[in-house]
Amino acid sequence: QSVLTQSPSASGTPGQRVTISCSGSSSNVGSNYVYWYQQLPGAAPKLLIYGNDQWPSGVPDRFSGSKSGTSASLAISGLRSEDEADYYCAAWDDNMSGLVFGGGTRVTVL
Amino acid sequence: EAQLLESGGGLAQPGGSLRLSCAASGFTLNNYAMSWVRQAPGKGLEWVSGIINSGRSTYYADSVKGRFTISRGNSKNTLYLQMNRLRVEDTAVYYCAKSGGALVAGTSYGFDYWGQGTLVTVSS
Repeated sequence: QSVLTQSPSASGTPGQRVTISCSGSSSNVGSNYVYWYQQLPGAAPKLLIYGNDQWPSGVPDRFSGSKSGTSASLAISGLRSEDEADYYCAAWDDNMSGLVFGGGTRVTVL
Repeated sequence: EAQLLESGGGLAQPGGSLRLSCAASGFTLNNYAMSWVRQAPGKGLEWVSGIINSGRSTYYADSVKGRFTISRGNSKNTLYLQMNRLRVEDTAVYYCAKSGGALVAGTSYGFDYWGQGTLVTVSS
C-alpha cells in the first residue's frame, strides 16, 4: 500500500480534460510540496509539476497541478494520444523522513 | 544539458552485495541533492535514498535502512549506492535522479533529471 493514494486508472477521448487525484495526510501532502511525474512505457520518469503547481521548462501548460489541504490533483487538458502513460504524485513525508510516491495512475486515451 | 548514467546492476544472490554508480555530466554534482528511486517489475516508483549537495545529510527509506548506503564522489562527479544484505524484494530497476535544489527534504524542486536505470536482480 502506497502512502499517497491515487486511482489506478483514468481515461478520456482526445481533446478531453482528465483529472488525477492524489490523497495524502498532514505529514506529507498537507505540509510539503507535491510533485508529479509522467512515465511513458519503457522510459524513465519525467518531471511534470514541481512545487505543487509549477512547470519545468518544456512541459506544456496543458498539464496543471493544484493542492488543497491533504489532496492534490493533476489535470490534463486537450488530451492527446501521446499522454498515454503512468502518472505519479510524490511528496516529502515528515513522519517517515522520506519521499513518498503514490501508486500511480495509468491514463488511457480512448 | 545534464545527463545521468547508471551502472553496476546485475544478478546477486540473497544476502549478497552490489554497488551502483551514477555518472553525472553537464552539471556539478556537489551543487545539487541526489536520490535513488527504484521500480520493481510491473510496479510503481519507490524512493530509496537521498543525499544533500554537501553530502553531510543522507536519508533512507525504512525498507533499506541499515543495508544500503548512499554516497558521492564529488571529484569524480559520481553518485553511489552500496547495497548490502540484498533481498529478493530488492529486485528492481534503480534510477538515479537529480534534484533541482540542494536539499532532499522540504524542497519545492522535484527530480528534474533521471538516468535510464540499471536492473538489479536478486535471486538464488
